[in-house]
Amino acid sequence: SAVISQKPSRDICQRGTSLTIQCQVDSQVTMMFWYRQQPGQSLTLIATANQGSEATYESGFVIDKFPISRPNLTFSTLTVSNMSPEDSSIYLCSVGTSGNSHYEQYFGPGTRLTVT
Amino acid sequence: SQELEQSPQSLIVQEGKNLTINCTSSKTLYGLYWYKQKYGEGLIFLMMLQKGGEEKSHEKITAKLDEKKQQSSLHITASQPSHAGIYLCGADISGTASKLTFGTGTRLQVTL
Repeated sequence: SAVISQKPSRDICQRGTSLTIQCQVDSQVTMMFWYRQQPGQSLTLIATANQGSEATYESGFVIDKFPISRPNLTFSTLTVSNMSPEDSSIYLCSVGTSGNSHYEQYFGPGTRLTVT
Repeated sequence: SQELEQSPQSLIVQEGKNLTINCTSSKTLYGLYWYKQKYGEGLIFLMMLQKGGEEKSHEKITAKLDEKKQQSSLHITASQPSHAGIYLCGADISGTASKLTFGTGTRLQVTL
């Protein structure tokens, strides 16, 4: 398994501002992902954070709105830019650790973002 | 429509009773993951299933993946208040062995 921490755990931000969320893992991992969970909804993948290259974004998510960094195999950041109330969600970092043909995926505790 | 359907959406059971949650897709589930989420918190990894017919157990929770790899069930035996939370199934339906698509979740309440 992997121990994942996220900072901040929660924040209240004003519209038009940006927030950077950090994800730290206690061991080197190949795969890191960022998900969003809107109120009362399930999880939606935002992007795969690639070490040493640009993140791979899912349909409906763009780099200008959600820039992602992954400087090494244990750390990643997600920035939510030019926020609006629709960005109020829980943002979750997850990591994939190798095992058989599929990775076991573990999630961080999440960052609860409220945009006013 | 959802690519991964979970049922029921919510469940209230009396302590000590058994329960089953289902996760169904029209696509092949290359990897099927079960998680538990407490309100407003992160996801706790429960189990991962890969092979058709596979079954895994941990304490009082058993998960199965059917032979066709399109349906999984999560069974809790003798439920306890500590089992309360939201259960989510996530699956690799793209065959990429990486990103997951999630179901809508099942909210479980256990009454005394």
